[in-house]
Amino acid sequence: GAGVSQSPRYKVAKRGQDVALRCDPISGHVSLFWYQQALGQGPEFLTYFQNEAQLDKSGLPSDRFFAERPEGSVSTLKIQRTQQEDSAVYLCASSLEFERYQETQYFGPGTRLLVL
Amino acid sequence: KQEVTQIPAALSVPEGENLVLNCSFTDSAIYNLQWFRQDPGKGLTSLLLIQSSQREQTSGRLNASLDKSSGRSTLYIAASQPGDSATYLCAVTTGNQFYFGTGTSLTVIP
Repeated sequence: GAGVSQSPRYKVAKRGQDVALRCDPISGHVSLFWYQQALGQGPEFLTYFQNEAQLDKSGLPSDRFFAERPEGSVSTLKIQRTQQEDSAVYLCASSLEFERYQETQYFGPGTRLLVL
Repeated sequence: KQEVTQIPAALSVPEGENLVLNCSFTDSAIYNLQWFRQDPGKGLTSLLLIQSSQREQTSGRLNASLDKSSGRSTLYIAASQPGDSATYLCAVTTGNQFYFGTGTSLTVIP
């Protein structure tokens, strides 16, 4: 079936604007992850869902970042009052099982966010 | 906090050459280590997953080794092809976190 999809692929926002990034995981995948990848760096963990439960949000950089997965499928990462340092690629990944360290994660293409 | 380092940051080789990419990590208490490939503008594709109890994994022209005690992994690519050009990332799972290195940008010259 289809892989992980993300939308929009590119987003330009003015500083202070709110943005919402969407992730459609592979159907039936229990676990969902969000990562932030700055230019020239590896992805950094933001948050993790098991079905609709957000089990780990320790990587969210500030309270301006909020993620949800209300029905255990599609997830939205919202960034309020965007700042220039929020400019990055936001990657979403999903995996089949809830034991996340035992399973391969499947990544989406990412959303490239540029805050001016 | 787990720190993952990849050397070299960039590598350019002629087609057909065998090559080795290196990954090191500071905390040996890992569940697994994965090697990913990232193409420009695209997400990550998992290449090989090595559980902490394993020493190596092979897939086609790729072979990854893991020495957990010394905190090192290598990705060996045999008979490189231009299509192998991409950024290669290693990632380790420690506790509940997934830590990535900064990647090695590989260019295979035809």
